[in-house]
Amino acid sequence: DIQMTQSPSFLSASVGDRVTLSCKASQNINKYLAWYQQKLGEAPKLLIYNANSLQTGIPSRFSGSGSGTDFTLTISSLQPEDVATYFCLQHNSWPNTFGAGTKLELK
Amino acid sequence: EVQLVESGGGLVQPGRSLKLSCLASGFTFSNYGMNWIRQAPGKGLEWVASISSSSSYIYYADTVKGRFTISRDNAKNTLYLQMTSLRSEDTALYYCARRAALDYWGQGVMVTVSS
Repeated sequence: DIQMTQSPSFLSASVGDRVTLSCKASQNINKYLAWYQQKLGEAPKLLIYNANSLQTGIPSRFSGSGSGTDFTLTISSLQPEDVATYFCLQHNSWPNTFGAGTKLELK
Repeated sequence: EVQLVESGGGLVQPGRSLKLSCLASGFTFSNYGMNWIRQAPGKGLEWVASISSSSSYIYYADTVKGRFTISRDNAKNTLYLQMTSLRSEDTALYYCARRAALDYWGQGVMVTVSS
């Protein structure tokens, strides 16, 4: 199985900060990486698919990059409503696997 | 508007069975692969099973293989998850989601396995 390693596990940042979250795959997953935002008590929401494609309706401050094994989610200017846990998912090969998540808090 | 509504959860004893449903609306259900994902209380996300649009391809996580069965009825716009031989570690919020990239999710249905 492909292991997905997210870092950091916790991140505290200020409003307006540029925030970078990492997701590393244990083997090549090409571009089949998605990022999700999950707020407390809610279902996850797709932010980015195919590593760098912004899902419809998601603010442009969110962006994704990477291919192969190393991927990044960037929030260009952190907003209070971005407080959430962020998960990555590889769907290049079965079984699909999620990262453990990065919990983002406001400083 | 795409909507996915799960149902069928509840409290069940270890070793018993339960069947979840996910009613889809707002899109042509028969054109899309579908998935079940679960989240144990306070934990991360775990992919459980996937089924292609015509049910030709089905995949399971090792943790549920042989115990859970994913299926769909395209005439009823409904996805199913038949769960048997339930264990305490199957306790989780179960979500259905559309497509391999999981672009839309339901609100989830809670399954609690306890005596």
